[in-house]
Amino acid sequence: GENVEQHPSTLSVQEGDSAVIKCTYSDSASNYFPWYKQELGKGPQLIIDIRSNVGEKKDQRIAVTLNKTAKHFSLHITETQPEDSAVYFCAASQRNTPLVFGKGTRLSVIA
Amino acid sequence: EAQVTQNPRYLITVTGKKLTVTCSQNMNHEYMSWYRQDPGLGLRQIYYSMNVEVTDKGDVPEGYKVSRKEKRNFPLILESPSPNQTSLYFCASRRGQGAINTEAFFGQGTRLTVV
Repeated sequence: GENVEQHPSTLSVQEGDSAVIKCTYSDSASNYFPWYKQELGKGPQLIIDIRSNVGEKKDQRIAVTLNKTAKHFSLHITETQPEDSAVYFCAASQRNTPLVFGKGTRLSVIA
Repeated sequence: EAQVTQNPRYLITVTGKKLTVTCSQNMNHEYMSWYRQDPGLGLRQIYYSMNVEVTDKGDVPEGYKVSRKEKRNFPLILESPSPNQTSLYFCASRRGQGAINTEAFFGQGTRLTVV
């Protein structure tokens, strides 16, 4: 089955700097790669996703890149703000299979 | 408002006392699942259901049961809870049946402590 590795497990950045979180997956058949943000005391919430027919996707300060050959994808947050502090999860799946999540990255943005 | 509702939010119970955590979604989603979240282990899937009366084991199903009698509800049952089931539990739903690669909506979580 699918296995998703996520790094780093913790990340601290200064406000205004960029943050990058990386994930690798094992199953070349996976074709959907979402990123979720979990704020304290809440359930995870989708912030961006990418499908295997696309190499990059942006939404304001957030971008995700996908390298199918290397089987890795990354989340990029630019101009970080204190409200970006949260736990971020990557995940992978293919059609009709459950989402498999990475172990999460705790991002701290220091003002 | 589209949402997944779990109850209770917090629960402390004793070993062996059967309990049920309820989950309900109002989005007419076919696909529902339960996860547990533990420090350093991320989100691990317990059970999932692709439609009414269809359930499958996830990665960590031991000690849990589920049922899917109605599309909107997917309760998680612990017949004989043990301390190693102390965890934060999340229910999630997704649109499915041919559109399985879609956003998952999560509930607020249930923090369970078994003493």
